Amino acid sequence: DAGITQSPRHKVTETGTPVTLRCHQTENHRYMYWYRQDPGHGLRLIHYSYGVKDTDKGEVSDGYSVSRSKTEDFLLTLESATSSQTSVYFCAISPMGGKGTEAFFGQGTRLTVV
Amino acid sequence: GENVEQHPSTLSVQEGDSAVIKCTYSDSASNYFPWYKQELGKGPQLIIDIRSNVGEKKDQRIAVTLNKTAKHFSLHITETQPEDSAVYFCAATSNTGNQFYFGTGTSLTVIP
Repeated sequence: DAGITQSPRHKVTETGTPVTLRCHQTENHRYMYWYRQDPGHGLRLIHYSYGVKDTDKGEVSDGYSVSRSKTEDFLLTLESATSSQTSVYFCAISPMGGKGTEAFFGQGTRLTVV
Repeated sequence: GENVEQHPSTLSVQEGDSAVIKCTYSDSASNYFPWYKQELGKGPQLIIDIRSNVGEKKDQRIAVTLNKTAKHFSLHITETQPEDSAVYFCAATSNTGNQFYFGTGTSLTVIP
């Protein structure tokens, strides 16, 4: 497996609380991504990073923020969790952001907002 | 941006039969097409990919074909086995972008 670790793997939180998910890589890849996976929707991009402190929005970025202060860590924050953010979240890394190279996925974080 | 459509959303086949999953894309600049397999409780993993300078690629029981003119590509699995049961995703990327554009997935069930 590619060196990607997501933490926590499971979390239950209450509506309105902030939540931070962490993605850690040991591959020194430039690109890092956060996706959410919901039935019928496949993998939807939330945010991605193309370098330290360089991030951009994906198609479902509302209610989420990200930070990347080091090459190896990419944090996803739900500022005020809502039930609609109950999902499985995947981090992915890529050396070149596509451009003929694959993405490697973490094992996922199952988040439940009650 | 790119739009990738994937069909069917679910597919059931008898063990030993073939399975075909089809994807279309909209951006003619897309030139790299990976396929991922996601087993229950795990993250997606690359199983095969194809670049736009070839029309077909094969790896044992798995093959991918690409028709650039029609903007569609397909995954073919022959002699299916129960362990092929999983969700499969197609994706497209280009040299000018930073994102992977995924299809919505196909849940394949191989019936023993």
